[in-house]
Formats: sequence, C-alpha cells, structure tokens
Amino acid sequence: EAGVVQSPRYKIIEKKQPVAFWCNPISGHNTLYWYLQNLGQGPELLIRYENEEAVDDSQLPKDRFSAERLKGVDSTLKIQPAELGDSAVYLCASGKTGAPYEQYFGPGTRLTVT
Amino acid sequence: KQEVTQIPAALSVPEGENLVLNCSFTDSAIYNLQWFRQDPGKGLTSLLLIQSSQREQTSGRLNASLDKSSGRSTLYIAASQPGDSATYLCAVEVQGAQKLVFGQGTRLTINP
Repeated sequence: EAGVVQSPRYKIIEKKQPVAFWCNPISGHNTLYWYLQNLGQGPELLIRYENEEAVDDSQLPKDRFSAERLKGVDSTLKIQPAELGDSAVYLCASGKTGAPYEQYFGPGTRLTVT
Repeated sequence: KQEVTQIPAALSVPEGENLVLNCSFTDSAIYNLQWFRQDPGKGLTSLLLIQSSQREQTSGRLNASLDKSSGRSTLYIAASQPGDSATYLCAVEVQGAQKLVFGQGTRLTINP
C-alpha cells in the first residue's frame, strides 16, 4: 500500500511570501493530521481532520495559517505571509477513525524562510 | 496539559550493546503510547504501539514497556547495530482527544 505523500519535499522562500504544502493520505484513511516539527523537537499537532471537517484546530495560528481538505481526501496547508520563525518541517499523517488510532506519517516538507 | 520527556537527549554506544531509552509522561489518562523512529530528513516510522491496557510489546530486537501508573515507558534495543542509528521519539495518545503528544526525542548513534 502506498504511504502518505507530501509535496514539495523542500521549499525555500523569502519572508512575507506565501507558501502551500500538499498531502495525499493513505487510501481509506478518514483522519488526517498536520504537524509542525522544529529542529531538535518532537512534532506538535496543528490541525486534525475527520473526513472534510476540521475537528481540532486549536493549535493552528489562524492569523497566518490556513488548511483545507476538500472532498475529504487530499489536504493543503498554507502560510501567508511566512515569517522567519516558520522555518521547520511540516509533517502530514493519516489514520483510520477508531481504535487503536495509529498514525502513519509522510516524509515531511522542510520549509526555510529567509 | 500532557507533557512528555525523553532522557537522554543523545546516546552513543558501541555496536552489539543492549540499550534502554526512557520516556516519561505527566498525565496517566492516555489511550496508547507509541515509539517512532526518525531518520535524518525523513518522516516518522512507527516501531511499537502499546495500548493503555497492555504492559509491553515486542518486535524483533525491540521491546517496549509501559507503566501507566508511574507515567513511564522504556524502549529496549537488543544487540544494537549501526543501522539502528536514528532519533527515537515517544508519543502518547491523549485520551478523548485523538492527539499525539511527542517527546523531544533521543538521538541514538551506534558506533561500528
């Protein structure tokens, strides 16, 4: 079975520019997660989707971050405008609804803001 | 608020040694605990998942234990190999939130 696909793998942008990341989850996985991982730290949840509904976006900085999951499959995470502190790895994960809530991670997108 | 701590932050051992990585969490109301491996520039690979009702899980040379009452988990790696070099992350699934809270990881280096 194909894993979680993310693109691009790397992105370098100047501050104040917009950027978008794309995620395609494992087929049949209703739940999709976006995590932020700073260097030397564990990932932190930004948003969780159940199908097309964002059920937990409490950690998403809504002034500059937005996300969507149209049709309950692929998802896009956007930052506008990007700041220097947004440099990090953005990870997407997917899983099936219900126990044991196992999550499968994509390779991530490494963002560098200059 | 659930907090997860991993000690040590980095560990370097010679090939062939058995080793233990530690993970502690502050709130015992968890649904499960997972150990992940992360290679440089790569995503996370799930190694072991322990349900809250279980005490341990084994996969090959890996054994993970869970003591919910004390808020601790250990990952035991037997007969370490250079290919085991990676960052190991512990994460707990917060009960009722379907959300993983991660530790900061232990960077493991196995020297040939």
